[in-house]
Amino acid sequence: EPEVTQTPSHQVTQMGQEVILRCVPISNHLYFYWYRQILGQKVEFLVSFYNNEISEKSEIFDDQFSVERPDGSNFTLKIRSTKLEDSAMYFCASSRGGEQYFGPGTRLTVT
Amino acid sequence: EDQVTQSPEALRLQEGESSSLNCSYTVSGLRGLFWYRQDPGKGPEFLFTLYSAGEEKEKERLKATLTKKESFLHITAPKPEDSATYLCAVPIYSGSARQLTFGSGTQLTVLP
Repeated sequence: EPEVTQTPSHQVTQMGQEVILRCVPISNHLYFYWYRQILGQKVEFLVSFYNNEISEKSEIFDDQFSVERPDGSNFTLKIRSTKLEDSAMYFCASSRGGEQYFGPGTRLTVT
Repeated sequence: EDQVTQSPEALRLQEGESSSLNCSYTVSGLRGLFWYRQDPGKGPEFLFTLYSAGEEKEKERLKATLTKKESFLHITAPKPEDSATYLCAVPIYSGSARQLTFGSGTQLTVLP
């Protein structure tokens, strides 16, 4: 069964450093998303991506964040200058328009 | 503001003890409600989509139902492996994509 994959599973970085989180969505899906979950809190929407452009972004997704689909299979989230409060689980999801399928997540720890 | 509220926050059941989890929502023009299961440190795993009041979906020991204001996830004769956090989410349409608004989840523990 096809699944969303994410790398790395855990990333530790220092405050102010850039990180890139990588995702491979399910191959015939058209919509791509990033969500985050701070420990003990709700899953929160960050950004949606369709037809090679951002469809919608939340207030969390400020100028420090960017997304890219560099080729036909990968979908990346970049945080330019990490802050302590960026520490969270980051989930990639994809869909064909209905239910969204989530990856296993990347745990980002900013020290 | 669109809201999704789940109750209870936590539920402990004995193996075989059936119960229900609740998800209430305030969304104008609901276009679906999703149930997910989340294990610790893992991503949400899709369970069900419900689109209209009166609709029911079943999978093994789980049955999801939908009314105009809330959804229930019924767990019949649960087993320890059903222990997880159960999340409900509603889609908010924005252009061609939809973002999910999640509830806080119900953490279910099933004791052997």
